Amino acid sequence: DAKTTQPPSMDCAEGRAANLPCNHSTISGNEYVYWYRQIHSQGPQYIIHGLKNNETNEMASLIITEDRKSSTLILPHATLRDTAVYYCIVRGARQGAQKLVFGQGTRLTINP
Amino acid sequence: NAGVMQNPRHLVRRRGQEARLRCSPMKGHSHVYWYRQLPEEGLKFMVYLQKENIIDESGMPKERFSAEFPKEGPSILRIQQVVRGDSAAYFCASSTSVLTDTQYFGPGTRLTVL
Repeated sequence: DAKTTQPPSMDCAEGRAANLPCNHSTISGNEYVYWYRQIHSQGPQYIIHGLKNNETNEMASLIITEDRKSSTLILPHATLRDTAVYYCIVRGARQGAQKLVFGQGTRLTINP
Repeated sequence: NAGVMQNPRHLVRRRGQEARLRCSPMKGHSHVYWYRQLPEEGLKFMVYLQKENIIDESGMPKERFSAEFPKEGPSILRIQQVVRGDSAAYFCASSTSVLTDTQYFGPGTRLTVL
């Protein structure tokens, strides 16, 4: 599975959009980009995933560059409860590639 | 629709005892994954199971650890003769059988070895 690179930490003001970048320059054609977050020491929470096209759901938007080598997770109106570690994970679709490989993630702090 | 359930949420064991961690997948999910998070570290994959089958155990320590997912009942992660280094949070995730389907995580079991 392709490796991802994320900034170790970011700050964002409450009410503003939080934009979390992720580089995955070695991603292959059938690999998906997944985003999870872990609030304090709770279980990881699924946020969103995508293959090629941009995606949006009730939690966030995912913007994937045309060459697929990087992506950005957007939390449109960050709240204090969005403070968490955010993980960008590249995951294959082939048999045997189902496990998630977590990096160190980005520690996002939302400030009042 | 209940999410992934894990019990116990907290487990304290003395060195040398056995620890049994249980995971009930979401309704309709037949695949289970176990991950471990050591203190101040990231999550690491341990094992991937379908009903009555271990599919990938590449992340399991070679000794003392075993996992099962019987035809009926929850998945069990078993740690024999626990040592202090086993103290960690153990998370279970589940998904459907579709290869690309999303894994949803449970709240975890925090194991403390005294």
